[in-house]
Amino acid sequence: EADIYQTPRYLVIGTGKKITLECSQTMGHDKMYWYQQDPGMELHLIHYSYGVNSTEKGDLSSESTVSRIRTEHFPLTLESARPSHTSQYLCASSELDRGEVTGELFFGEGSRLTVL
Amino acid sequence: GQNIDQPTEMTATEGAIVQINCTYQTSGFNGLFWYQQHAGEAPTFLSYNVLDGLEEKGRFSSFLSRSKGYSYLLLKELQMKDSASYLCASMDSNYQLIWGAGTKLIIKP
Repeated sequence: EADIYQTPRYLVIGTGKKITLECSQTMGHDKMYWYQQDPGMELHLIHYSYGVNSTEKGDLSSESTVSRIRTEHFPLTLESARPSHTSQYLCASSELDRGEVTGELFFGEGSRLTVL
Repeated sequence: GQNIDQPTEMTATEGAIVQINCTYQTSGFNGLFWYQQHAGEAPTFLSYNVLDGLEEKGRFSSFLSRSKGYSYLLLKELQMKDSASYLCASMDSNYQLIWGAGTKLIIKP
């Protein structure tokens, strides 16, 4: 069973608020990811990290930021939430070998965000 | 551009066999993944193919043809709990996963 946790699981918030979605993993994985997924749609990569102090932008990164101060922790922040941010946010991690992803992604349970 | 195609929805009968197809076009190729995602839950890993051929794992098998940019997931002895979305994802030359929208599999008694 994967040891990757996300909080909150559900969040309803008003427009303009700042929110941080938390993600922690206890597997010692170097690479971590944030994905956004709408119902029946593909996963879109928002941000990823190769390890501590490494952050990279994905396809949908322009309205959010991430940090990687500790290996196990990879929070995602929206500075000013908008209704278009309403979605499910999935955090994932994987092992890294010689700079390449070699194995499966382990996903957290997800954070379902609703912006009113 | 990079693209993953898989059927939106399929229906099968409990106890039967179903094959879910996936075609991919990515910049480079470092493997093909299949994930299972139950409604409202996170995806879980099913299989990984990087060489041509069939990989069997219990009731589930996955096939890859790199020359055709094609993969399929074969599910045997279907059970009601197999009702889920099945996500195909190709890893490109930058080791990034390109995801399909998923195939929703409905199992009927």
